[in-house]
Amino acid sequence: QSALTQPASVSGSPGQSITISCTGTSSDVGSYHLVSWYQQHPGKAPKVMIYEVSKWPSGVSNRFSGSKSGNTASLTISGLQAEDEADYYCCSYAGPSTLGVFGGGTKLTVL
Amino acid sequence: EVQLVESGGGLVQPGGSLRLSCAASGFTFTNYWMSWVRQAPGKGLEWVANIKEDGSEKYYVDSVKGRFTISRDNAKNSLYLQMNRLRAEDTAVYYCARWHVWGSYLDYWGQGTLVTGSS
Repeated sequence: QSALTQPASVSGSPGQSITISCTGTSSDVGSYHLVSWYQQHPGKAPKVMIYEVSKWPSGVSNRFSGSKSGNTASLTISGLQAEDEADYYCCSYAGPSTLGVFGGGTKLTVL
Repeated sequence: EVQLVESGGGLVQPGGSLRLSCAASGFTFTNYWMSWVRQAPGKGLEWVANIKEDGSEKYYVDSVKGRFTISRDNAKNSLYLQMNRLRAEDTAVYYCARWHVWGSYLDYWGQGTLVTGSS
């Protein structure tokens, strides 16, 4: 199973919005409404921010939103804040009897 | 409060073995699939293995098949990863995580334990 494709880095200024893309195939992202997004600060464990493409876990800000079109999922962060600076990973279900597949990660810099 | 606490990491020579443990608390352990996810230094996340609630199903990434074994002891609320024939490329922080199977996402993670395979 190949990793999903994410841009290596994105940046934005405080208050702006940014979008991170996550491209898979018809075997993973394209076939299932089961994409999740994780935020990871340096030296910390990942934290789920979005699941099932666009749902928020309890306690996650609604400044984070997710969507999907075809084989590409997207994470949008609106009203950027300094604390949003982190690495972001997408992950997709890839079928029964398989493990999920992660994207390579995107480093978000808040300018 | 859900807590996952890994232990057992360390320095091991290539070809050696190590057993990671993950102590779970704050939830009904027998109701959840559990996972191991690793992260090599400066690299991204890689899903290593999954195990079903009762241990009857296990899945592995190709690179560890035949070398790593995931297991669980539901009486002790514990998850394990037996790592044999370790290679330098297995060097990573290993995270224990709870897999929410219906939504297919990892909703709680431990703090991670570092495994270094080096001579």
